[in-house]
Amino acid sequence: SQQGEEDPQALSIQEGENATMNCSYKTSINNLQWYRQNSGRGLVHLILIRSNEREKHSGRLRVTLDTSKKSSSLLITASRAADTASYFCATGSGNTPLVFGKGTRLSVIA
Amino acid sequence: EPEVTQTPSHQVTQMGQEVILRCVPISNHLYFYWYRQILGQKVEFLVSFYNNEISEKSEIFDDQFSVERPDGSNFTLKIRSTKLEDSAMYFCASRTTVLPVGYTFGSGTRLTVV
Repeated sequence: SQQGEEDPQALSIQEGENATMNCSYKTSINNLQWYRQNSGRGLVHLILIRSNEREKHSGRLRVTLDTSKKSSSLLITASRAADTASYFCATGSGNTPLVFGKGTRLSVIA
Repeated sequence: EPEVTQTPSHQVTQMGQEVILRCVPISNHLYFYWYRQILGQKVEFLVSFYNNEISEKSEIFDDQFSVERPDGSNFTLKIRSTKLEDSAMYFCASRTTVLPVGYTFGSGTRLTVV
């Protein structure tokens, strides 16, 4: 089954640094999405990249997708303490439900 | 911005009791989902619902689980006889029919079975 797997599992950086999280998946997809979850809270949709796109930007977020390697990365530039959260990739294909990875726990230290 | 609303935010129940988790999806969305997240683990798909019927379900979604759209706005998940291992955060999500599109998730119901 298609499955997003993020690495690293946990990442700790200083405020102002960039944070990069990676996601790998196993099967064909037509889109990949990144979500954010503050501790014990809901999932917030951050960005969606289609399988025919290679890079997408939204504010301080930059997502890349390499379908040949079945991998994606999420870059958060100039991180802030408020970016502290867990970040999940989720793969989508047609009407099949999203499949989530295990997530990366990001800690941004002020 | 439209939201998916879930109630209650936290429910504690005795093992063996029935629970109903409630969700109000975004009004013009037609696909509805339930996911769960056991503490510290990944978000797992339970069931999807479209056109008043289940369109897909995972192996987690056994006979103890059921979903219903009792009226035009609510979408419920019922667990008939709760087990300790049902303790988790349950998320409802909805989306439009236009693909691809991000899902809108509710803020979740934390279910604790004691």
